Amino acid sequence: GQSLEQPSEVTAVEGAIVQINCTYQTSGFYGLSWYQQHDGGAPTFLSYNALDGLEETGRFSSFLSRSDSYGYLLLQELQMKDSASYFCAVRDHGDYKLSFGAGTTVTVRA
Amino acid sequence: DADVTQTPRNRITKTGKRIMLECSQTKGHDRMYWYRQDPGLGLRLIYYSFDVKDINKGEISDGYSVSRQAQAKFSLSLESAIPNQTALYFCATSDPGTSGSWATDTQYFGPGTRLTVL
Repeated sequence: GQSLEQPSEVTAVEGAIVQINCTYQTSGFYGLSWYQQHDGGAPTFLSYNALDGLEETGRFSSFLSRSDSYGYLLLQELQMKDSASYFCAVRDHGDYKLSFGAGTTVTVRA
Repeated sequence: DADVTQTPRNRITKTGKRIMLECSQTKGHDRMYWYRQDPGLGLRLIYYSFDVKDINKGEISDGYSVSRQAQAKFSLSLESAIPNQTALYFCATSDPGTSGSWATDTQYFGPGTRLTVL
């Protein structure tokens, strides 16, 4: 089975940098994904890391260390619109279905 | 028009009632999923379907059933609703994209159905 841990809440001010950590235990690993969900809305895909290292997409970056079973999502130059929940997810070894973490609620203050 | 639609968007029902949540997609994806979201628990997989003839139980399938009527339609039923099934339900689709690998597919979620069981 899969097990993922991420902090439940993070609060920061506009313009700041936030790092959301995710540690996982999985029977087989096919990469770490991140999804964003605004309050009451549909989750949307942000990023995917299959290999160790940093992937950058605009203000958001995602990092993976497979040897440490650890990854993080880095949100830079925080904006009010970044207030949302962020979920890490790993893929099942057998049929590639996703298992999600409980989510981290990011609140951006003015 | 939205690629993944869910009906109804909100539903209030009573304990013991049968209820069906419907999902339709125009993305042409083979894989479809039903998730449940409760505060503090993230998204938990109820059922998933890789094609019309292939339906699989997820981690929390008890009390639910599904029907894949066509590639584009995947319905979730609660045969006898109970209050602890009150939650936000999401349908999702996926395909392997340009990589051709299910290991890297992206999931596309519908807008959700907020279900309340009294």
